[in-house]
Amino acid sequence: AQSVSQHNHHVILSEAASLELGCNYSYGGTVNLFWYVQYPGQHLQLLLKYFSGDPLVKGIKGFEAEFIKSKFSFNLRKPSVQWSDTAEYFCAVTPYLTDKLIFGTGTRLQVFP
Amino acid sequence: DAGVTQSPTHLIKTRGQQVTLRCSPKSGHDTVSWYQQALGQGPQFIFQYYEEEERQRGNFPDRFSGHQFPNYSSELNVNALLLGDSALYLCASSLDSGQGPHEQYFGPGTRLTVT
Repeated sequence: AQSVSQHNHHVILSEAASLELGCNYSYGGTVNLFWYVQYPGQHLQLLLKYFSGDPLVKGIKGFEAEFIKSKFSFNLRKPSVQWSDTAEYFCAVTPYLTDKLIFGTGTRLQVFP
Repeated sequence: DAGVTQSPTHLIKTRGQQVTLRCSPKSGHDTVSWYQQALGQGPQFIFQYYEEEERQRGNFPDRFSGHQFPNYSSELNVNALLLGDSALYLCASSLDSGQGPHEQYFGPGTRLTVT
């Protein structure tokens, strides 16, 4: 069965620290990849997406992610986090030609000033 | 430009009852997907509606059904509620511009509690 794994369930960082959140998926075919963010009290928002082309994609608020096909991974990175990055982050995939988003269980990020 | 809206915000039901949740898609969107998010979990795909028909379905029982109206708004119906149906129900809309993928925009959700 298709699935998405997020290995970090809860990450605590100080402001200006670097961030990397892991995401691995299990699906043998072509996929589209997404990172969504849910700020406290707000709805899910798209952070970035990969459909094809350059495997290094840049999203909003300084986030980027790298698709490594051989490792079935799509890790999220940010060089320097801010307190306002405190949120829950979800990795998701859609199998090729479907809109069925398959989400990971999420990573809760807390950034302290 | 209105985003995705859902109603009601919160709902409390008793086991065995039936519930209807509503969703209005983002302006210009024609496709609606529904997701269930249990506490501490990621959202799980229930089904998607396009052109008033169910186009894709996840691994949910027939107690979960839906409808899409000509104005693209949608309803999610759950019959014979179980305690395990307690969750946040999310609606997402997108524009079917042809062969995918399509970016989905999420609403704030409806929190359903079954007692």
